[in-house]
Amino acid sequence: GNSVTQMEGPVTLSEEAFLTINCTYTATGYPSLFWYVQYPGEGLQLLLKATKADDKGSNKGFEATYRKETTSFHLEKGSVQVSDSAVYFCALGKAAGNKLTFGGGTRVLVKP
Amino acid sequence: NAGVTQTPKFQVLKTGQSMTLQCAQDMNHNSMYWYRQDPGMGLRLIYYSASEGTTDKGEVPNGYNVSRLNKREFSLRLESAAPSQTSVYFCASTDSGGAYEQYFGPGTRLTVT
Repeated sequence: GNSVTQMEGPVTLSEEAFLTINCTYTATGYPSLFWYVQYPGEGLQLLLKATKADDKGSNKGFEATYRKETTSFHLEKGSVQVSDSAVYFCALGKAAGNKLTFGGGTRVLVKP
Repeated sequence: NAGVTQTPKFQVLKTGQSMTLQCAQDMNHNSMYWYRQDPGMGLRLIYYSASEGTTDKGEVPNGYNVSRLNKREFSLRLESAAPSQTSVYFCASTDSGGAYEQYFGPGTRLTVT
């Protein structure tokens, strides 16, 4: 079956540091890949997505590249801010029922 | 355009009580979903409705029932609540013509004592 594995947190950084959150997946065929962000007390918001191999998704300074050869979709940001403190979820989507499979989430804490 | 709305935001139940969580979307989406979020376990799919008039089990359906009332509304019912159902519940929807991205509601925090 489909699965998503992402690094466990919490990840604690100083403001302006570089952030990487690793995500790898197992799936048959060609899934779409997503990063969602959850701010404290809120629901999940789509951060970025990629629908085919070598696609790069980007938003709000975050980037992730769909690497089929390594089945990975690592999230990166060059200079984090305190406002980036949140839980980040990697997910994959397949056609049948439009269901998403989520990783366990990575909590990121950015300190001033 | 409110997106996906959920009621209530918080609920405390005693073991054995029943309740229904409500979800509505105003984006004319075909598919709707119910997830639960537990610490360290990400989101797990309880039930989903690929289109109006259909519902299917997800990963953790035991103890729950759903109703797709119309295209806008998808409710989740706990018939006899158990402490193991203490969780945060999220509803989501998607346009089946999109790249499967889902839009989430703000969640319902449920505690069963």
